[in-house]
Amino acid sequence: AQSVTQLDSQVPVFEEAPVELRCNYSSSVSVYLFWYVQYPNQGLQLLLKYLSGSTLVKGINGFEAEFNKSQTSFHLRKPSVHISDTAEYFCAVLTGGGNKLTFGTGTQLKVEL
Amino acid sequence: SQTIHQWPATLVQPVGSPLSLECTVEGTSNPNLYWYRQAAGRGLQLLFYSVGIGQISSEVPQNLSASRPQDRQFILSSKKLLLSDSGFYLCAWSALGAWDEQFFGPGTRLTVL
Repeated sequence: AQSVTQLDSQVPVFEEAPVELRCNYSSSVSVYLFWYVQYPNQGLQLLLKYLSGSTLVKGINGFEAEFNKSQTSFHLRKPSVHISDTAEYFCAVLTGGGNKLTFGTGTQLKVEL
Repeated sequence: SQTIHQWPATLVQPVGSPLSLECTVEGTSNPNLYWYRQAAGRGLQLLFYSVGIGQISSEVPQNLSASRPQDRQFILSSKKLLLSDSGFYLCAWSALGAWDEQFFGPGTRLTVL
């Protein structure tokens, strides 16, 4: 079964510093990968997705992620974070014949002044 | 454009009481529909998904059930709530047959006392 692992449960970072949120997946077949963001007491919003094509994917709010097949990773990056980026970030892989998303346990990003 | 609604936004219920959470989608037809639960400090757990009216797949054994009486309506129910049913419940939809993203509703915060 396909799965994703987010090793960091919390990542503190100062404003305007770069950040990387790690995501590793396990799959023996083609993968479709997603990053979602969740602000407090809200639903999830798609940041970016990798379905095929270029391995460097750019998303909203200045985030980007790189699909690395050899390392089975899909890490999320932002060169300069803002206070408003404080939220929980979920990596997910599409499974179940394209019908289901399997989520990681999430990474809480806390941006401090 | 498509929108997804969930209600109520918050709910406090005593142990042993029934539950009914509703989710509706507008602006699309024949969507896949999903119910997730997010417990405190944990990731998202897929509870049910549906690819059509009356078609419900249960992902985990539990005290909850789901129904899809209409194409764009998805209901999560329980006859008798347990303390462990507390959490943040998210409804989502995706386009039928599309290997692509899911769109999430604003969520319902359920507290069972």
